[in-house]
This record gives sequence, C-alpha cells and structure tokens, in this order.
Amino acid sequence: GESVGLHLPTLSVQEGDNSIINCAYSNSASDYFIWYKQESGKGPQFIIDIRSNMDKRQGQRVTVLLNKTVKHLSLQIAATQPGDSAVYFCAESRGNFNKFYFGSGTKLNVKP
Amino acid sequence: DAGITQSPRHKVTETGTPVTLRCHQTENHRYMYWYRQDPGHGLRLIHYSYGVKDTDKGEVSDGYSVSRSKTEDFLLTLESATSSQTSVYFCAISETGQEQFFGPGTRLTVL
Repeated sequence: GESVGLHLPTLSVQEGDNSIINCAYSNSASDYFIWYKQESGKGPQFIIDIRSNMDKRQGQRVTVLLNKTVKHLSLQIAATQPGDSAVYFCAESRGNFNKFYFGSGTKLNVKP
Repeated sequence: DAGITQSPRHKVTETGTPVTLRCHQTENHRYMYWYRQDPGHGLRLIHYSYGVKDTDKGEVSDGYSVSRSKTEDFLLTLESATSSQTSVYFCAISETGQEQFFGPGTRLTVL
C-alpha cells in the first residue's frame, strides 16, 4: 500500500483512554460528513458518517458529533487501542454526494 | 480492500511523458473516483464517474483526463506529466455515491 508522510497535528493517548479528534469545516452548505481512518501504507477506510440533520451518531466504539453553529465535527473513540493508531480525516460534501472535500488529517498515536 | 486494485503500484517517469493509471473493481459499483494525496493537502478529488462513459471534474482536474468504457475499469491519464503531478494516487468506489472504498494507492514520481 501507499501512504504519504504528512506533517500532521498529532494526538497521543494512552491505551484504554478515550480519544477526541476534531475537524473544522468552512462551508455552511456542507450537509454530509464522513470520518476516514488511514493506516500506514494503506488507503483510507470508512469509519462513520453523519448528515447535517443530525447532531450525533454512534457506531461501534466511535461517536461523531456535529455542531453546525460553529462548523465543527468531532470523532470520539472509546477505549482507544493500539490498532487505532492511524491518520484520521474528516470529509465534507455539499449537495453533490460525489464531491467530497477532505481535511488535512490528524495523526493518532496510541501508547501502550 | 473491497475488490479494488490499482496498477501500477509504483511508477517513475520523466516530465512530458504520458502516464496512465488503472483502477479495477470487482464489486460492480456504479461510482468510481480518482484522488491525489499530497503532504498538507489531504486527499483531493481529480475526477469521478457515475456510470459507464459518464464522468465529471473534481477539485484538481487540470492536466488529467479519465475514461470509463466498462463498469469495472476507470483510467486516469496524465497527457504530459509534470513534476507537480508527483503524488500518491488513490482510486475509490461507491455503490451509492456516499461511503467510498479506497484502493491501495499508486505512488507516481515525475522527474
């Protein structure tokens, strides 16, 4: 697989703790959001999505929160595990679900 | 990787030469996408396809063309490669146009 070495903001957490990764978006017209996880040497992997008519959505060990007032998205990972170490991207779509705009990513480093 | 392959996986070429990258899927998904990933920019959409022979431009389409003559194949062509096109290229597929599944990527270096 391939990956790109990025000078990314890094979040370091202890194994077992909860992680919160944040994303700010700029366009108030964005109405659909996705969080992706990218492990070293691989392509991005879908984690969870949320539409703009929702404030919160939960998956397995993950929760996405959307605050449209301040155009902010967050991903919460419960009981973070070493396998969660990766780069996390948010992506937004504006009306046309085929055109997604990705953030620059946050690197999550889980310490054992 | 959800039945997506990309070829070649690595390529080094010279400025001015044509380059074609291939994305092949075995999922029969309607939508296919080409992205490039560069440091500090995340992923940026180059072109996408919403069916055979149906394509549209993305955020950074200049210098790239695409073709989709079969459901399973989506080709990305750099007619005359430039150094600014050195990047990692990802193909993605989607059944609905929402959740996308990504391929393993192609690292392209233009000297």
